[in-house]
Amino acid sequence: AQKITQTQPGMFVQEKEAVTLDCTYDTSDPSYGLFWYKQPSSGEMIFLIYQGSYDQQNATEGRYSLNFQKARKSANLVISASQLGDSAMYFCAMREGWNAGNMLTFGGGTRLMVKP
Amino acid sequence: DSGVTQTPKHLITATGQRVTLRCSPRSGDLSVYWYQQSLDQGLQFLIQYYNGEERAKGNILERFSAQQFPDLHSELNLSSLELGDSALYFCASSGRDTQYFGPGTRLTVL
Repeated sequence: AQKITQTQPGMFVQEKEAVTLDCTYDTSDPSYGLFWYKQPSSGEMIFLIYQGSYDQQNATEGRYSLNFQKARKSANLVISASQLGDSAMYFCAMREGWNAGNMLTFGGGTRLMVKP
Repeated sequence: DSGVTQTPKHLITATGQRVTLRCSPRSGDLSVYWYQQSLDQGLQFLIQYYNGEERAKGNILERFSAQQFPDLHSELNLSSLELGDSALYFCASSGRDTQYFGPGTRLTVL
């Protein structure tokens, strides 16, 4: 079974609107972390936001917020007020276990295109 | 800028050859991870080193090897290269909760 599933291969959003990128995960470990990374066309992987499994509140970082629904095993990324520079691939990733040094498992990614 | 450096940025070589990719982690980070991103396999974890010792192994081929040196930089060695090894290779280092990625080395095997 896939550990991280991103069901939207591609999405369009109008500039200045909000967009939600979906991510579901599968783990039996009670301790885990969820991450979102952005990969622009230049290729680098840029860390956006992190949510720990025991965090009580949804993570936020500027225009990024993570809609964490533990019972549904979903960790959707919400980007508010989209900008042209948000056009990129977005990857959801999970780290399983209590050790913060464990490896990441990535989903297949969602390509976001922001329309002017 | 994540603080993780990788060299070279691009590498073009022929089948059967051997290459070495280099990574320097962020200042203070002891862990280094290597990931491969290819069109058919997506982003896959290869191997992790912590303070010079191998910590975890993922889907790393036997033709590939890595090491981490006393100054904490790491090298990924790829030998007997095949066309299918063409990919973007990332190095990452970890802070408290997060892995920060370098800019990647794009390997093209012709």
